[in-house]
Amino acid sequence: DAGITQSPRHKVTETGTPVTLRCHQTENHRYMYWYRQDPGHGLRLIHYSYGVKDTDKGEVSDGYSVSRSKTEDFLLTLESATSSQTSVYFCAISPGPQSGNEKLFFGSGTQLSVL
Amino acid sequence: AQRVTQPEKLLSVFKGAPVELKCNYSYSGSPELFWYVQYSRQRLQLLLRHISRESIKGFTADLNKGETSFHLKKPFAQEEDSAMYYCALSDSNTGGFKTIFGAGTRLFVKA
Repeated sequence: DAGITQSPRHKVTETGTPVTLRCHQTENHRYMYWYRQDPGHGLRLIHYSYGVKDTDKGEVSDGYSVSRSKTEDFLLTLESATSSQTSVYFCAISPGPQSGNEKLFFGSGTQLSVL
Repeated sequence: AQRVTQPEKLLSVFKGAPVELKCNYSYSGSPELFWYVQYSRQRLQLLLRHISRESIKGFTADLNKGETSFHLKKPFAQEEDSAMYYCALSDSNTGGFKTIFGAGTRLFVKA
């Protein structure tokens, strides 16, 4: 497995509380992504990063923010968690097309429950 | 808008039977298409990509630009093929680089 670590692996929180999920990579890949996985919807892109401090929105970015202050870390923050954000969150990394490799490598996922 | 459609949520076949998982896409440009697989208790991983024209674990997929399809096929399904399969498209049109996934098809191979 590529060197990707997501933390925490499981999180239960209450509606209205802030939550931060962390993705750490040891591969020095340029691109990092946050997806959520929901039955019937597959994987939907929340935000992605194409370099330190360079981020952009994905398909379902409302209610989420991200930060990337170092190449190896990509943080996803739910400013005020809602029940609709209960999901499994996956981090992915990629060298990107400039490196001739568009393959994604995935983390193990974070199961988030918002009660 | 870029989109990936997998019309089947669940596909159930008997061991030894042929399998075809359907994928259609919409994309303005030349698409890069992939199939990813998630086995039980394992990470999501790349199965194959159209540009490499590989056959992985007996699976193949042909890009049909006329029908905008990238169906995944295997002539003889095995029980270990039971998994969740995602068709994906990489988008470099809008700047940056991101991958869009379909809703996924769960394949169940019965003994």
